[in-house]
Amino acid sequence: AQKITQTQPGMFVQEKEAVTLDCTYDTSDQSYGLFWYKQPSSGEMIFLIYQGSYDEQNATEGRYSLNFQKARKSANLVISASQLGDSAMYFCAMREGGSNYKLTFGKGTLLTVNP
Amino acid sequence: NAGVTQTPKFRILKIGQSMTLQCAQDMNHNYMYWYRQDPGMGLKLIYYSVGAGITDKGEVPNGYNVSRSTTEDFPLRLELAAPSQTSVYFCASSTGTAISNYGYTFGSGTRLTVV
Repeated sequence: AQKITQTQPGMFVQEKEAVTLDCTYDTSDQSYGLFWYKQPSSGEMIFLIYQGSYDEQNATEGRYSLNFQKARKSANLVISASQLGDSAMYFCAMREGGSNYKLTFGKGTLLTVNP
Repeated sequence: NAGVTQTPKFRILKIGQSMTLQCAQDMNHNYMYWYRQDPGMGLKLIYYSVGAGITDKGEVPNGYNVSRSTTEDFPLRLELAAPSQTSVYFCASSTGTAISNYGYTFGSGTRLTVV
């Protein structure tokens, strides 16, 4: 079974609108962490946001927020006020407890922001 | 600048040739990782290391070898290159602690083509 599932291969959003990128995960660990990374066309991996499994509040970083629903095992990324520069590939990743801090990645969602 | 440095950035290999992808970090991170990213896919773990002298296989280790003689360096060796190893390779490191969200830092990647 996939540990990280991103069901949206591609998404389109109008500039200045909000967009939600979906991520569901599968783990039996109580302690784990969820990450979102952005990969622009230049190829580098850019860290966006992190949510720990014990964090009671949803993580926020500027225009990025993580909608963490633990019981549903989902960790959706919300980007508010989309900008043209947000066009990129977005990856959800998970660090499981006792995993030597390895990250498991989803297949990604390609976001295109239209002017 | 502090971070993870990968060399080379690009390389074309002929089938059957060997090469070493270099990775160095100057953040004194104990944990280091090699991932590969195939077109349109997420990152898959090849090998990882939890400290100097300790390495272990990830999800897709076949055709690769690693060594970790120092904390700073984690080279990835390809023996007998095959077209299936055409990919983008990312090296990453982590503090292994929750401070700064485990401090995952990625190199800029090596784009390898095997012809």
